[in-house]
Amino acid sequence: AQSVTQLGSHVSVSEGALVLLRCNYSSSVPPYLFWYVQYPNQGLQLLLKYTTGATLVKGINGFEAEFKKSETSFHLTKPSAHMSDAAEYFCAVSLSGGYQKVTFGTGTKLQVIP
Amino acid sequence: GAGVSQSPRYKVTKRGQDVALRCDPISGHVSLYWYRQALGQGPEFLTYFNYEAQQDKSGLPNDRFSAERPEGSISTLTIQRTEQRDSAMYRCASSLEEPSGGAYEQYFGPGTRLTVT
Repeated sequence: AQSVTQLGSHVSVSEGALVLLRCNYSSSVPPYLFWYVQYPNQGLQLLLKYTTGATLVKGINGFEAEFKKSETSFHLTKPSAHMSDAAEYFCAVSLSGGYQKVTFGTGTKLQVIP
Repeated sequence: GAGVSQSPRYKVTKRGQDVALRCDPISGHVSLYWYRQALGQGPEFLTYFNYEAQQDKSGLPNDRFSAERPEGSISTLTIQRTEQRDSAMYRCASSLEEPSGGAYEQYFGPGTRLTVT
Protein backbone atom coordinates (compact mmCIF):
# COMPACT_ATOMS: atom_id res chain seq x y z
CA ALA A 1 0.00 0.00 0.00
CA GLN A 2 1.10 3.57 -0.53
CA SER A 3 0.06 7.06 0.50
CA VAL A 4 1.04 10.66 -0.05
CA THR A 5 0.93 13.66 2.27
CA GLN A 6 1.18 17.20 0.95
CA LEU A 7 1.89 19.76 3.63
CA GLY A 8 -0.01 22.98 3.11
CA SER A 9 -3.15 23.14 1.05
CA HIS A 10 -2.33 26.75 0.09
CA VAL A 11 1.09 28.31 -0.47
CA SER A 12 1.73 31.96 -1.38
CA VAL A 13 4.99 33.26 -2.76
CA SER A 14 6.08 36.54 -4.27
CA GLU A 15 6.95 36.67 -7.93
CA GLY A 16 10.65 35.85 -8.25
CA ALA A 17 10.83 34.03 -4.92
CA LEU A 18 11.65 30.39 -4.33
CA VAL A 19 8.81 27.92 -4.68
CA LEU A 20 8.85 24.94 -2.30
CA LEU A 21 5.94 22.49 -2.24
CA ARG A 22 6.29 19.63 0.19
CA CYS A 23 5.43 15.98 -0.37
CA ASN A 24 6.06 12.99 1.84
CA TYR A 25 5.16 9.47 0.84
CA SER A 26 4.67 6.09 2.41
CA SER A 27 5.43 2.98 0.42
CA SER A 28 6.15 -0.65 1.22
CA VAL A 29 8.44 -1.06 -1.79
CA PRO A 30 10.54 1.35 -3.87
CA PRO A 31 8.13 3.95 -5.18
CA TYR A 32 7.61 5.81 -8.38
CA LEU A 33 6.88 9.46 -7.63
CA PHE A 34 5.17 12.13 -9.70
CA TRP A 35 4.25 15.78 -9.60
CA TYR A 36 1.26 16.95 -11.63
CA VAL A 37 0.01 20.49 -12.17
CA GLN A 38 -3.61 21.46 -12.74
CA TYR A 39 -4.57 24.79 -14.23
CA PRO A 40 -8.16 26.00 -13.89
CA ASN A 41 -10.61 24.14 -16.10
CA GLN A 42 -7.89 21.90 -17.46
CA GLY A 43 -6.74 18.35 -16.89
CA LEU A 44 -3.71 17.39 -14.85
CA GLN A 45 -0.36 17.66 -16.61
CA LEU A 46 2.77 15.79 -15.62
CA LEU A 47 5.55 18.08 -14.38
CA LEU A 48 8.13 15.42 -13.60
CA LYS A 49 8.56 11.87 -12.37
CA TYR A 50 11.07 9.77 -10.48
CA THR A 51 11.44 6.08 -11.26
CA THR A 52 15.03 4.98 -10.76
CA GLY A 53 18.50 6.47 -11.09
CA ALA A 54 19.33 10.09 -10.41
CA THR A 55 17.47 11.36 -7.38
CA LEU A 56 17.29 14.95 -8.63
CA VAL A 57 14.68 15.11 -11.33
CA LYS A 58 14.17 18.08 -13.63
CA GLY A 59 10.80 18.76 -15.14
CA ILE A 60 9.03 21.26 -17.32
CA ASN A 61 8.73 24.99 -16.64
CA GLY A 62 11.89 25.09 -14.52
CA PHE A 63 10.61 22.81 -11.76
CA GLU A 64 12.65 20.09 -10.14
CA ALA A 65 12.24 17.61 -7.31
CA GLU A 66 14.60 15.52 -5.25
CA PHE A 67 13.86 12.00 -4.07
CA LYS A 68 15.17 11.55 -0.53
CA LYS A 69 14.66 8.01 0.61
CA SER A 70 15.88 8.66 4.15
CA GLU A 71 13.28 11.39 4.58
CA THR A 72 10.59 9.69 2.42
CA SER A 73 10.21 13.03 0.68
CA PHE A 74 9.83 14.32 -2.87
CA HIS A 75 9.58 18.08 -2.51
CA LEU A 76 9.00 20.25 -5.58
CA THR A 77 11.07 23.41 -6.07
CA LYS A 78 11.54 26.24 -8.51
CA PRO A 79 14.16 28.93 -7.93
CA SER A 80 12.06 31.86 -9.13
CA ALA A 81 8.26 31.93 -9.22
CA HIS A 82 6.45 33.32 -12.22
CA MET A 83 2.88 34.51 -12.31
CA SER A 84 2.05 31.69 -14.71
CA ASP A 85 3.00 29.13 -12.03
CA ALA A 86 -0.21 29.85 -10.13
CA ALA A 87 -2.05 26.53 -10.20
CA GLU A 88 -2.79 23.47 -8.09
CA TYR A 89 -0.01 20.92 -7.70
CA PHE A 90 -0.49 17.25 -6.89
CA CYS A 91 2.13 14.80 -5.68
CA ALA A 92 1.47 11.16 -6.51
CA VAL A 93 3.00 7.78 -5.81
CA SER A 94 2.80 4.31 -7.26
CA LEU A 95 4.64 1.13 -6.42
CA SER A 96 7.38 0.03 -8.76
CA GLY A 97 7.14 -3.05 -10.92
CA GLY A 98 4.55 -3.34 -13.65
CA TYR A 99 1.13 -1.82 -13.30
CA GLN A 100 0.35 -0.27 -9.99
CA LYS A 101 -2.37 2.25 -9.40
CA VAL A 102 -1.38 5.82 -8.73
CA THR A 103 -2.33 7.43 -5.43
CA PHE A 104 -2.60 11.22 -5.39
CA GLY A 105 -2.16 13.69 -2.57
CA THR A 106 -4.78 16.28 -1.70
CA GLY A 107 -3.04 19.03 -3.64
CA THR A 108 -1.42 22.37 -2.91
CA LYS A 109 -2.72 25.59 -4.45
CA LEU A 110 0.10 27.93 -5.32
CA GLN A 111 -0.60 31.65 -5.35
CA VAL A 112 2.00 33.97 -6.86
CA ILE A 113 1.84 37.54 -5.62
CA PRO A 114 3.07 40.26 -7.99
CA GLY B 1 -2.33 15.45 -31.76
CA ALA B 2 -5.59 15.53 -29.88
CA GLY B 3 -5.54 14.94 -26.15
CA VAL B 4 -7.93 13.01 -23.98
CA SER B 5 -11.47 14.27 -24.41
CA GLN B 6 -14.44 13.80 -22.11
CA SER B 7 -18.12 14.46 -22.57
CA PRO B 8 -20.21 16.01 -21.38
CA ARG B 9 -18.08 18.62 -19.63
CA TYR B 10 -20.92 19.40 -17.23
CA LYS B 11 -23.83 17.21 -16.23
CA VAL B 12 -26.65 18.09 -13.88
CA THR B 13 -29.00 15.26 -13.05
CA LYS B 14 -31.70 14.51 -10.55
CA ARG B 15 -31.23 12.00 -7.81
CA GLY B 16 -32.19 8.53 -8.93
CA GLN B 17 -31.36 9.05 -12.59
CA ASP B 18 -28.65 7.12 -14.43
CA VAL B 19 -25.77 8.96 -16.06
CA ALA B 20 -23.15 7.90 -18.60
CA LEU B 21 -19.85 9.70 -18.86
CA ARG B 22 -17.70 9.27 -21.92
CA CYS B 23 -13.93 9.25 -22.33
CA ASP B 24 -12.06 9.30 -25.63
CA PRO B 25 -8.39 8.52 -25.00
CA ILE B 26 -5.38 9.56 -27.02
CA SER B 27 -5.14 7.46 -30.16
CA GLY B 28 -2.83 4.51 -29.62
CA HIS B 29 -2.97 4.60 -25.83
CA VAL B 30 -3.84 1.16 -24.58
CA SER B 31 -4.37 1.96 -20.90
CA LEU B 32 -7.32 4.00 -19.65
CA TYR B 33 -8.11 5.12 -16.12
CA TRP B 34 -11.09 6.66 -14.38
CA TYR B 35 -10.73 8.89 -11.33
CA ARG B 36 -13.13 10.83 -9.15
CA GLN B 37 -12.05 14.13 -7.67
CA ALA B 38 -14.01 15.77 -4.91
CA LEU B 39 -13.58 19.47 -4.21
CA GLY B 40 -10.34 20.13 -2.39
CA GLN B 41 -9.08 16.59 -2.90
CA GLY B 42 -6.76 14.81 -5.25
CA PRO B 43 -8.00 12.38 -7.87
CA GLU B 44 -9.21 9.09 -6.40
CA PHE B 45 -8.70 5.96 -8.49
CA LEU B 46 -11.85 4.20 -9.67
CA THR B 47 -10.91 1.68 -12.35
CA TYR B 48 -8.39 0.84 -15.05
CA PHE B 49 -8.46 -0.85 -18.47
CA ASN B 50 -5.79 -2.39 -20.60
CA TYR B 51 -7.24 -2.50 -24.12
CA GLU B 52 -10.82 -3.69 -23.53
CA ALA B 53 -10.04 -5.67 -20.39
CA GLN B 54 -10.92 -4.15 -17.04
CA GLN B 55 -7.81 -4.90 -15.00
CA ASP B 56 -8.66 -3.26 -11.72
CA LYS B 57 -11.99 -2.03 -10.44
CA SER B 58 -11.10 -1.93 -6.80
CA GLY B 59 -11.81 1.79 -6.57
CA LEU B 60 -15.43 1.67 -7.69
CA PRO B 61 -17.37 2.70 -4.56
CA ASN B 62 -20.32 0.34 -4.98
CA ASP B 63 -22.24 -1.65 -7.56
CA ARG B 64 -24.05 1.42 -8.88
CA PHE B 65 -20.79 2.30 -10.63
CA SER B 66 -19.64 0.41 -13.71
CA ALA B 67 -17.33 1.03 -16.63
CA GLU B 68 -16.72 -0.51 -19.99
CA ARG B 69 -14.36 -0.14 -22.91
CA PRO B 70 -15.76 -2.63 -25.42
CA GLU B 71 -13.45 -1.94 -28.36
CA GLY B 72 -10.37 -0.91 -26.46
CA SER B 73 -10.76 2.77 -27.24
CA ILE B 74 -13.68 4.87 -25.97
CA SER B 75 -14.80 4.16 -22.44
CA THR B 76 -18.04 4.85 -20.61
CA LEU B 77 -18.44 5.23 -16.87
CA THR B 78 -22.04 4.64 -15.82
CA ILE B 79 -23.57 5.59 -12.51
CA GLN B 80 -26.98 4.14 -11.83
CA ARG B 81 -29.55 5.61 -9.46
CA THR B 82 -27.38 8.64 -8.77
CA GLU B 83 -27.15 10.06 -5.27
CA GLN B 84 -26.10 13.52 -4.13
CA ARG B 85 -22.85 12.10 -2.75
CA ASP B 86 -21.89 11.14 -6.33
CA SER B 87 -21.43 14.83 -7.19
CA ALA B 88 -17.79 15.34 -8.14
CA MET B 89 -15.41 15.85 -11.03
CA TYR B 90 -14.88 12.62 -12.92
CA ARG B 91 -11.58 12.46 -14.73
CA CYS B 92 -10.30 10.09 -17.36
CA ALA B 93 -6.64 9.49 -18.21
CA SER B 94 -4.84 7.36 -20.75
CA SER B 95 -1.30 6.11 -21.12
CA LEU B 96 0.95 4.05 -23.28
CA GLU B 97 1.53 0.76 -21.57
CA GLU B 98 5.18 0.17 -20.83
CA PRO B 99 6.89 -3.10 -20.06
CA SER B 100 7.06 -4.20 -16.48
CA GLY B 101 9.37 -2.03 -14.45
CA GLY B 102 8.57 1.18 -16.24
CA ALA B 103 6.47 4.07 -15.04
CA TYR B 104 4.13 5.55 -17.55
CA GLU B 105 2.80 9.06 -17.82
CA GLN B 106 -0.94 9.41 -17.59
CA TYR B 107 -2.52 12.07 -19.79
CA PHE B 108 -5.63 13.52 -18.24
CA GLY B 109 -8.77 14.82 -19.83
CA PRO B 110 -10.54 18.00 -18.67
CA GLY B 111 -13.08 16.07 -16.65
CA THR B 112 -16.86 15.92 -16.37
CA ARG B 113 -18.37 17.93 -13.54
CA LEU B 114 -21.34 15.92 -12.26
CA THR B 115 -23.91 17.56 -10.04
CA VAL B 116 -26.72 15.48 -8.59
CA THR B 117 -29.62 17.54 -7.29
